[in-house]
Amino acid sequence: AQSVTQLGSHVSVSEGALVLLRCNYSSSVPPYLFWYVQYPNQGLQLLLKYTSAATLVKGINGFEAEFKKSETSFHLTKPSAHMSDAAEYFCAVSRFGNEKLTFGTGTRLTIIP
Amino acid sequence: NAGVTQTPKFQVLKTGQSMTLQCAQDMNHNSMYWYRQDPGMGLRLIYYSASEGTTDKGEVPNGYNVSRLNKREFSLRLESAAPSQTSVYFCASSVGTRGWGDTQYFGPGTRLTVL
Repeated sequence: AQSVTQLGSHVSVSEGALVLLRCNYSSSVPPYLFWYVQYPNQGLQLLLKYTSAATLVKGINGFEAEFKKSETSFHLTKPSAHMSDAAEYFCAVSRFGNEKLTFGTGTRLTIIP
Repeated sequence: NAGVTQTPKFQVLKTGQSMTLQCAQDMNHNSMYWYRQDPGMGLRLIYYSASEGTTDKGEVPNGYNVSRLNKREFSLRLESAAPSQTSVYFCASSVGTRGWGDTQYFGPGTRLTVL
């Protein structure tokens, strides 16, 4: 069975500081990995996804994530936080042969002015 | 394009009442999903439909039924609502009939409270 662990349910960073949101996965076969963002009172929207083409994936709004097979990780980063980045972020995994997307429990990002 | 739309946005029910949550997508997607979101638990899949005429159970199907009315519409029914079903419900869709690797597009959600 596949699963996703997001370390830290709440993360606070200062405006202009590095954003690092952690995600580790378990999957018996090569996974597809996703980061979704949820702004207050809205649905989820895709930030970026890894589908085995390149290990460093660039997404919208300056975010990127690196797939590290040896560490089973897919951490999300952004060099300089902006106030508009305040939201909840979800890591998710699926794999070939399984239609279902398994979500992590989410990390709420707060930006300190 | 409206994307994925859900009605209603908010609903309050009494224990034992029934209701249907509606979802429609205008992207010609094959797969549709229903999730519930609870604090600290992420999103959990209730049911999904890989194509018109097919539905399958997800992680938490008990107490729910679904209907894939046509390619556009996928409804979720609570036959006898319970307080444990208080949650935010999201509908999503994706292009393929086999969802792995596909981006899912989400609706704005329905906030349901069961008293």
